[in-house]
Amino acid sequence: SYVLTQSPSVSVAPGQTARMTCGGDNIGSKSVHWYQQKSGQAPVLVVYDDSDRPSGIPERFSGSNSGNTATLTISRVEAGDEADYYCQVWDSSSDHYVFGTGTKVTVL
Amino acid sequence: QVQLVESGGGVVQPGRSLRLSCAASGFTVSSYGMHWVRQSPGKGLEWVALISYDGRSKYYADSVKGRFTISRDNSKNTLYLQMNSLRPEDTAVYYCAKGPGFGYYFEYWGQGTLVTVSS
Repeated sequence: SYVLTQSPSVSVAPGQTARMTCGGDNIGSKSVHWYQQKSGQAPVLVVYDDSDRPSGIPERFSGSNSGNTATLTISRVEAGDEADYYCQVWDSSSDHYVFGTGTKVTVL
Repeated sequence: QVQLVESGGGVVQPGRSLRLSCAASGFTVSSYGMHWVRQSPGKGLEWVALISYDGRSKYYADSVKGRFTISRDNSKNTLYLQMNSLRPEDTAVYYCAKGPGFGYYFEYWGQGTLVTVSS
């Protein structure tokens, strides 16, 4: 089965840039989606199809995908961005949806 | 405005059954793929099941295949998850999620319902 690997944690000061990665075999050939989950809440879609943002998601959230790594970048980080972030792809070989292990973003 | 409201969670003994419901509003469930996703306490997200927009196709995670059944009632605009032969490792918050018109992601999520499997 397809495996997505994320770094466990990222710490960033307010106003700085947070970058988190999602690794998978030739992930650049897949569409990657990202979710934000704040403590005690349901996940929220923040980026879909590698780099598109749903309506209502700030432009500070951006995504890229190439080779074996997809990246979610949060610019001008705010305290409210503190959350767990999950990447996700669809594995066509198994018709399964796969999530990454999650990255916890801490705003210092 | 899209809204998804799950219900039916609770405490159940191993080997027993439980049915979860997800009432949808703001859209028609028969027009979109609908999913169940779960999250064990303190753990990450795990996709559980999908029913296609036309209801003809159903897909399951290996961990629940043969024990769980996804279905929907178009007249009630409601999604269901029938869970049989429950195991302690099925303990989780279960979310229903709406798929997009085109694509393979989870566009909207409900708030979740907690299922605890314990004797």
